[in-house]
Amino acid sequence: QSALTQPASVSGSPGQSITISCTGTSSDVGSYNLVSWYQQHPGKAPKLMIYEGSKRPSGVSNRFSGSKSGNTASLTISGLQAEDEADYYCCSYAGSSTFGVVFGGGTKLTVL
Amino acid sequence: EVQLVQSGAEVKKPGESLKISCKGSGYRFTSYWIGWVRQMPGKGLEWMGIIYPGDSDTRYSPSFQGQVTISADKSFNTAYLQWSSLKASDTAMYYCARLNGDHFDYWGQGTLVTVSS
Repeated sequence: QSALTQPASVSGSPGQSITISCTGTSSDVGSYNLVSWYQQHPGKAPKLMIYEGSKRPSGVSNRFSGSKSGNTASLTISGLQAEDEADYYCCSYAGSSTFGVVFGGGTKLTVL
Repeated sequence: EVQLVQSGAEVKKPGESLKISCKGSGYRFTSYWIGWVRQMPGKGLEWMGIIYPGDSDTRYSPSFQGQVTISADKSFNTAYLQWSSLKASDTAMYYCARLNGDHFDYWGQGTLVTVSS
């Protein structure tokens, strides 16, 4: 299983919207609507932001949304805030007879 | 409140063995898989494997099969990750996380493992 492809970095100004892409294959992202997104601030553990493609856990701001088209999933953050500056990782279920997931390489979001 | 609390940072020499732990609380520990995730310095997340504490069913990522051993003791609500012979390349932060279906919904605080002669 190869890592999912994410842009290394994205940036935006406060109040703007940004989108982070996550490209996989027909064996992972394309076959299942089971992409999750994690936010990681420096020195902290990852935090679940989106699961099953577009669902938000309780407590996660509705400024975060997820979608998918073909082999590419996307995370959109609207109304950017300084606290959104972090690394973001996508993760997809990848099937297999024994269970498998694959992470993306991560995207550094800078709020200008 | 669901919590996963991991053991503290470790400094080891190459060739030494190590076992780190992850203790769950606030939920039925035996009903959810626990996963381990590696993050090497300045790098991304890598899934290592998962264990079902209810029956110790274990699955490994092909990249980590044979390199580490995952176990659990349901009597202590604790999962473990162990190495028999550490290498410098094992230096990383290791996270445990609760697997809820297909996603990791709660994470431990991480255990930093440093392997250096």
